[in-house]
Amino acid sequence: DAGVTQSPTHLIKTRGQQVTLRCSPKSGHDTVSWYQQALGQGPQFIFQYYEEEERQRGNFPDRFSGHQFPNYSSELNVNALLLGDSALYLCASTPPGGFYGYTFGSGTRLTVV
Amino acid sequence: AQSVTQLGSHVSVSEGALVLLRCNYSSSVPPYLFWYVQYPNQGLQLLLKYTTGATLVKGINGFEAEFKKSETSFHLTKPSAHMSDAAEYFCAVSDGNAGNMLTFGGGTRLMVKP
Repeated sequence: DAGVTQSPTHLIKTRGQQVTLRCSPKSGHDTVSWYQQALGQGPQFIFQYYEEEERQRGNFPDRFSGHQFPNYSSELNVNALLLGDSALYLCASTPPGGFYGYTFGSGTRLTVV
Repeated sequence: AQSVTQLGSHVSVSEGALVLLRCNYSSSVPPYLFWYVQYPNQGLQLLLKYTTGATLVKGINGFEAEFKKSETSFHLTKPSAHMSDAAEYFCAVSDGNAGNMLTFGGGTRLMVKP
């Protein structure tokens, strides 16, 4: 049973560019959340998608946007990249009917140069 | 607003020694509490969680944690450290509502000496 899968694993972008990261949730999970983990820090919540809508959002600017598809997979888009956006981006999914902790993917390492 | 404080960004123990990683939280509602482990270049793996019920929670790999409401603490322990326990450990809190955003602490890097 595949867990949460993310692509790509690594990415290098230039300041000002746009990037799209992708996530497929664990089988049977319908809710997807995104977290940003800067080097040496704990993950920070970006937003969560449920039923193809953004249900909750953390303290991130509008440059960060997302989407959830009917098959529950999700994308994270970041526009006008800044050097400070360099981080590990983690996708996590949860099953329907209750919350007992996320299942995390291995993340996408984004480097902005 | 919720917050998590992990005391000690780095903890070093000898193989076979007791592991104690400290976590204190702040929450205005009864919290859900979690410990995650992160190995280099990997995502987060759930070690254990407290939602309701028994305050002593046992997790994977011999780890356990005790929820102490009066101390707002959820410290992680393991009786005997193994070399494979060397990793980054994160404590997290959620308010259990719809959405269930996790708020993480800054992490503690556990080093195990032979």
